[in-house]
Amino acid sequence: QSALTQPASVSGSPGQSITISCTGTSSDVGGYNFVSWYQQHPGKAPQLMIYDVSIRPSGVSNRFSGSKSGNTASLTISGLQAEDEADYYCCSFSISTALVFGTGTEVTVL
Amino acid sequence: EVQLVESGGGLVQPGGSLRLSCAASGFTFSGHYMDWVRQAPGKGLEWVGRTRDKPHSYITEYAASVKGRFTVSRDDSQDSVYLQMTSLKTEDTAVYYCVRVQGGNAHVLDYWGQGTLVTVSS
Repeated sequence: QSALTQPASVSGSPGQSITISCTGTSSDVGGYNFVSWYQQHPGKAPQLMIYDVSIRPSGVSNRFSGSKSGNTASLTISGLQAEDEADYYCCSFSISTALVFGTGTEVTVL
Repeated sequence: EVQLVESGGGLVQPGGSLRLSCAASGFTFSGHYMDWVRQAPGKGLEWVGRTRDKPHSYITEYAASVKGRFTVSRDDSQDSVYLQMTSLKTEDTAVYYCVRVQGGNAHVLDYWGQGTLVTVSS
C-alpha cells in the first residue's frame, strides 16, 4: 500500500487561505468518505482536525475545512494564523490495509 | 481526560526484540479499538497495527511492513495495549504512538499518546 500523495510544502501569509491536497486511488480516498486530517507541531503528537472528509471534532477551529472530489481530498485553512504552522497529514481507510497516511505537508506562515 | 502513556522504548540491536506498553485512562478502554502508529526520524506517519475490542473478537490487523514480526495485544483488565516487536530491523527505528480509535468510526484516530522512541542499531 503506497502512501497517499500530498505536496511537500504549502505557504501563505497571515489571513490568507491555503489548501492542501491529498491524492489516492479508488481503493482508498476515492472509494470511501473516510478521510481524516491530522496536525502535528514539531516534537508533538498528531492531533485530529477533520474526519469523514469534512467533520470537525469539538474544539477544532472552524477555519479548518475539508472536502473531496474523486480520488483527491483537500484541507483548507482560512484566515491563516501563525499557530497553524505545522505538518499536516491526511489519512484514509483502504481496502488493502486498515489505514493509509499521506506523505505529509509542511505549512509555513510567511 | 483521555490519557495514553507509552513506555518500553529504547535501543535494541538488529534482530532483537522489544515490547512497548501503553497505559490508558480517562475513558472506557474496553470499548475501543486501539492502534499503533510510528514515525521514523524526519519522516511521515505510518500505521502499524490494531487490536479490535472484545465484541469483535480482539481481531488484530497489521501493516505489510511489520506483519509476522509485530504483535498487538491488549489487557482490558489493566486498560493497556502492547506492541511486541521481534526480528527488528534498522528501518523500524521510529517514535511509536499509541492511538485510540474513535468509537463507532474505525478509521478515525481521535487521541494520541506522546510516543516512545525505538532505536534499532548495532
